[in-house]
Amino acid sequence: QQQVKQSPQSLIVQKGGISIINCAYENTAFDYFPWYQQFPGKGPALLIAIRPDVSEKKEGRFTISFNKSAKQFSLHIMDSQPGDSATYFCAASHISNFGNEKLTFGTGTRLTIIP
Amino acid sequence: DAGVTQSPTHLIKTRGQQVTLRCSPKSGHDTVSWYQQALGQGPQFIFQYYEEEERQRGNFPDRFSGHQFPNYSSELNVNALLLGDSALYLCASSRRTTWGTQYFGPGTRLTVL
Repeated sequence: QQQVKQSPQSLIVQKGGISIINCAYENTAFDYFPWYQQFPGKGPALLIAIRPDVSEKKEGRFTISFNKSAKQFSLHIMDSQPGDSATYFCAASHISNFGNEKLTFGTGTRLTIIP
Repeated sequence: DAGVTQSPTHLIKTRGQQVTLRCSPKSGHDTVSWYQQALGQGPQFIFQYYEEEERQRGNFPDRFSGHQFPNYSSELNVNALLLGDSALYLCASSRRTTWGTQYFGPGTRLTVL
């Protein structure tokens, strides 16, 4: 069974600090690795995604680092703000030979940014 | 440009009943996927529809079925509801060849009593 393991389960970071969330996967057949942000009572919102042939991708304060040999990837949130307080999910996308894409999600990290 | 919309927002049913949830994809998207998110967990893939056919299915029983209409909107049907079906049901839409970019709706919160 394809799995994505995410850590930590919860994270508290001071305002202005760097938040780091880590994920690891077991199946080498994944094709994309997106990150989602979810606020209570809302659906997940796509933040940023990376392909496995890229080692790093940055969009604003959000950076994905990808280590293909270790089968690990991480999300870094620079200059963390109280508005970043949410649950973050990593995911791995598998695209079948017929072009059907399926997302496998990690278990989530509840991030709290304190003043 | 409207994003992914879902209806209803909340739903309360009793065990054994049947439920239908609805989803309208983001403009320009042709593929709809459904996910189940239990409290405190990550979303779990149920199935995906493209060109009005189920293309891929996760580990969910046949009680879960769906449909996609010519305008790309979709329905999720769950028969013989169990208490364990209580969850947030999420619809995600995407464009067929734009990988890694599924956009989620706000979800339908289903409570089974």
